[in-house]
Amino acid sequence: GAVVSQHPSRVICKSGTSVKIECRSLDFQATTMFWYRQFPKQSLMLMATSNEGSKATYEQGVEKDKFLINHASLTLSTLTVTSAHPEDSSFYICSAPPSGPGGYTFGSGTRLTVV
Amino acid sequence: QQQVKQSPQSLIVQKGGISIINCAYENTAFDYFPWYQQFPGKGPALLIAIRPDVSEKKEGRFTISFNKSAKQFSLHIMDSQPGDSATYFCAAKAAGNKLTFGGGTRVLVKP
Repeated sequence: GAVVSQHPSRVICKSGTSVKIECRSLDFQATTMFWYRQFPKQSLMLMATSNEGSKATYEQGVEKDKFLINHASLTLSTLTVTSAHPEDSSFYICSAPPSGPGGYTFGSGTRLTVV
Repeated sequence: QQQVKQSPQSLIVQKGGISIINCAYENTAFDYFPWYQQFPGKGPALLIAIRPDVSEKKEGRFTISFNKSAKQFSLHIMDSQPGDSATYFCAAKAAGNKLTFGGGTRVLVKP
């Protein structure tokens, strides 16, 4: 089945630095990728939708300049958390919509800790 | 505004028992209703999904019941096992392929 590979799985960074998270579709082409943020014991909240070849669409309340999303190719989407602060510490997950009869494919998530 | 309401928030069930999780929605444009299982530190994994033209779907120990008129759907986990201890999310999809998630239910299966 379709697989989305997400890296890194865990990252610790200092306040003020930037962190890049990658999601790759391994055996299919993903023209769209959804990016979610999940705080502890909470649900997944959609942050933005990346589209190959065009600008990302951000959900209301999500800072575009802080969470930079790039969909460089049909197999790679990246989320860069710029000037990270402790409140950005969260679990970030990417997901590709179904390319066939199967359901949405989720990455394994990235635990970001900003110290 | 929570478009998909999930209950209960947490659930404890004995091994071999039935876990039941309920979800309600408002948006009649939703046309796909999946359930996901998530273990700590991992991404969600699809368990089972249903479309609104079907009232029930069963896959192994997992069953979705769907009530279109009441705008409700539920997940039943039969013969619950300790390995089923996880957080479960219902979700719904409308146009644009965006998924809206319920708040989640933490299930603990006691041996």
